[in-house]
Amino acid sequence: DQQVKQNSPSLSVQEGRISILNCDYTNSMFDYFLWYKKYPAEGPTFLISISSIKDKNEDGRFTVFLNKSAKHLSLHIVPSQPGDSAVYFCAASDNHSGNTGKLIFGQGTTLQVKP
Amino acid sequence: DSGVTQTPKHLITATGQRVTLRCSPRSGDLSVYWYQQSLDQGLQFLIQYYNGEERAKGNILERFSAQQFPDLHSELNLSSLELGDSALYFCASSGLGAGGEQYFGPGTRLTVT
Repeated sequence: DQQVKQNSPSLSVQEGRISILNCDYTNSMFDYFLWYKKYPAEGPTFLISISSIKDKNEDGRFTVFLNKSAKHLSLHIVPSQPGDSAVYFCAASDNHSGNTGKLIFGQGTTLQVKP
Repeated sequence: DSGVTQTPKHLITATGQRVTLRCSPRSGDLSVYWYQQSLDQGLQFLIQYYNGEERAKGNILERFSAQQFPDLHSELNLSSLELGDSALYFCASSGLGAGGEQYFGPGTRLTVT
């Protein structure tokens, strides 16, 4: 049972345009969501997060949107740069009583930004 | 650089053997998480320690075990290795027992032949 899904294995965008990466989840108990970026031969790097009490969080070129009713979140990168080319993982955690914040990851989306 | 270190970076061993992976968390972080990433798989949570105590277990095989030492570094022990154990093993740390961002190390690539 895959609780966090990234249905697009890959995405290609032109430099300077917007990249939109999507993520769906099934567990309504998730209350914290994160995006990580991963380059080959490196560990995942934390990008941005959002709590379930918010619907948007912005950090520079990165914005995460959360739609709780649809159990959907998205990461917007504007403008996209070639250095953004990497695998992006969506992750979620359930921090309610008794839970420990372990992350449940999606399968990842490979973003290619073309110059 | 996340501040989380893992050794070794690569490990090649034979089936049936035992290996130990080591992780040092970011300075001040009390929680250590271990994740496994197999080929074409997302990251799967294995186990969490918080300040020396086991806090949560995920899909960790009985052949695998872990511990966190008083200096907060952690070791993941994998025994009776099988070909299917070949994977990337990541350690992450956070300052909290639950919630918040986790910061990942560079991983250990284990190849079982």
